Amino acid sequence: DQQVKQNSPSLSVQEGRISILNCDYTNSMFDYFLWYKKYPAEGPTFLISISSIKDKNEDGRFTVFLNKSAKHLSLHIVPSQPGDSAVYFCAAADGGSQGNLIFGKGTKLSVKP
Amino acid sequence: KAGVTQTPRYLIKTRGQQVTLSCSPISGHRSVSWYQQTPGQGLQFLFEYFSETQRNKGNFPGRFSGRQFSNSRSEMNVSTLELGDSALYLCASSFQGNEQYFGPGTRLTVT
Repeated sequence: DQQVKQNSPSLSVQEGRISILNCDYTNSMFDYFLWYKKYPAEGPTFLISISSIKDKNEDGRFTVFLNKSAKHLSLHIVPSQPGDSAVYFCAAADGGSQGNLIFGKGTKLSVKP
Repeated sequence: KAGVTQTPRYLIKTRGQQVTLSCSPISGHRSVSWYQQTPGQGLQFLFEYFSETQRNKGNFPGRFSGRQFSNSRSEMNVSTLELGDSALYLCASSFQGNEQYFGPGTRLTVT
């Protein structure tokens, strides 16, 4: 039973446009959410996170939005660049389960020049 | 600061053998988590250590074990290897547990 779902296995976007990656979760105990980027043969790289007490967090070109009532979060990348092409993972944590991040299966983003 | 390092990067073992993987966290981080990544199951949590104590454990058999040393370095051990243990093993460190920074992983192949 997947607690964190990324329903789009892949996404293709033109350079300079917005990339929107989506993630849904089922566990209402999750109170912290993270996005990671992963290139082949490397470990995931932390991008941005958001606590459940917020609904938006921005860091440069990356913005994460959290809709708790819908149990949905999204990552916006503006503008998209070819170097952003990678697999993006959404992860969630609940305060009572230290060190245990629950990951989605990932979305492969391709940014075309 | 140096990132998380994992050794070895690649490993080939035979069924029935055991293996030990090593992880050095970012300086100052006391929490180390281990994950297994496979194409079918994605990233799955193995266990987490904080100040030499296992605080949390995922749903893996007892063949998978770990430990953490006083300098926060961690090792994980898999005994009696099975073909299905072939995977990328990732270590992540954090200051307290949530915002985790990953190493490059150890690619284990069991033949």
